[in-house]
Amino acid sequence: KAGVTQTPRYLIKTRGQQVTLSCSPISGHRSVSWYQQTPGQGLQFLFEYFSETQRNKGNFPGRFSGRQFSNSRSEMNVSTLELGDSALYLCASSLAPGGPDYGYTFGSGTRLTVV
Amino acid sequence: AQSVSQHNHHVILSEAASLELGCNYSYGGTVNLFWYVQYPGQHLQLLLKYFSGDPLVKGIKGFEAEFIKSKFSFNLRKPSVQWSDTAEYFCGEASSNTGKLIFGQGTTLQVKP
Repeated sequence: KAGVTQTPRYLIKTRGQQVTLSCSPISGHRSVSWYQQTPGQGLQFLFEYFSETQRNKGNFPGRFSGRQFSNSRSEMNVSTLELGDSALYLCASSLAPGGPDYGYTFGSGTRLTVV
Repeated sequence: AQSVSQHNHHVILSEAASLELGCNYSYGGTVNLFWYVQYPGQHLQLLLKYFSGDPLVKGIKGFEAEFIKSKFSFNLRKPSVQWSDTAEYFCGEASSNTGKLIFGQGTTLQVKP
């Protein structure tokens, strides 16, 4: 089955602009999580959506937002970009916890560079 | 609050050496524990996971991890590393109640041929 698909793979934006990243989960997965990966900070949790509802949120400013659609696809948006937002943004999808197939499958990420 | 701590940030080993990477978690409820690996230029891949049952979990590529509840630990081990194990390793913990998965800081493993 198809994996987690993230688009675009690479983005270059100017400081002050906004950006939207997309994530298509594995078919049947209703939970989508987003992470920011940087060399200094590792994998930082941004937020998690389940059935179109944000269930969890990490410690990021309000410039970072997201949403999930009825088909479980998710988008995240970063407004008023700062140089420090340059990172690899990863999306992961999962089934509900408890079953033997429970686990998080990651996409290849979107590499965002802010100049 | 959930938190995960990985003790070693950078580990350098020679081929055939044994590996143990430390991981401690803080969540006191029902835990779901994971180890992921990220090879250079590739996406995160699941090595192994623990939900319940036998505390010694075997994963792919000869890796295993032991869940010790009394120590809040989930250390990753491999008896004999290979050059191809050079990668970054992340320990993660997810809450069954919230579905939130968080990671430790990661450990970079460099295996010298």
